[in-house]
Amino acid sequence: DAGVTQSPTHLIKTRGQQVTLRCSPKSGHDTVSWYQQALGQGPQFIFQYYEEEERQRGNFPDRFSGHQFPNYSSELNVNALLLGDSALYLCASSLGLWQYFGPGTRLTVT
Amino acid sequence: KQEVTQIPAALSVPEGENLVLNCSFTDSAIYNLQWFRQDPGKGLTSLLLIQSSQREQTSGRLNASLDKSSGRSTLYIAASQPGDSATYLCAVRFTGANSKLTFGKGITLSVRP
Repeated sequence: DAGVTQSPTHLIKTRGQQVTLRCSPKSGHDTVSWYQQALGQGPQFIFQYYEEEERQRGNFPDRFSGHQFPNYSSELNVNALLLGDSALYLCASSLGLWQYFGPGTRLTVT
Repeated sequence: KQEVTQIPAALSVPEGENLVLNCSFTDSAIYNLQWFRQDPGKGLTSLLLIQSSQREQTSGRLNASLDKSSGRSTLYIAASQPGDSATYLCAVRFTGANSKLTFGKGITLSVRP
């Protein structure tokens, strides 16, 4: 059983551009959450998707948006990138108690 | 405000030592608490999960305890090894938070051979 997968692994973007990150949850997991982890910090909750709807949102601006597809995979979109958006973006899937995290996408904004 | 704190930020110990990593949280209304391990530049690996009704969980050389009333959890690592070197993160699922986890900043552990 493949775990949570994310693509791409690394990404370099220029300030002002837009980016899309992708996540495939563990088989059978219906809930996907996205987290941002800045260097030296703990992950910060961005939002969570369940049944293709945004169920909960953290303290992130509207530049951060997402989508969940019928197969439960998910995308995170960030518009008008800022230097401060440089971070490791983690996707987590869950079905019940445990949350399983993917390897993350390292986004660098220059 | 619901917060999770991990102190100290870094710890260095000689191989073989038993050690305790601490985690504190501001609200005792929790659903569960998870400990994760993160290697440099990598994702998170789940180590242990403690339900709010439980006092402790064990997996191999790891033991995690939970004291909701005092807002504390500890991760005990027995007979530490250089391979245990990593950042250990504590994450709390507060009641009413759906699946949202609130993380501490982590403790970076270095085990010296």
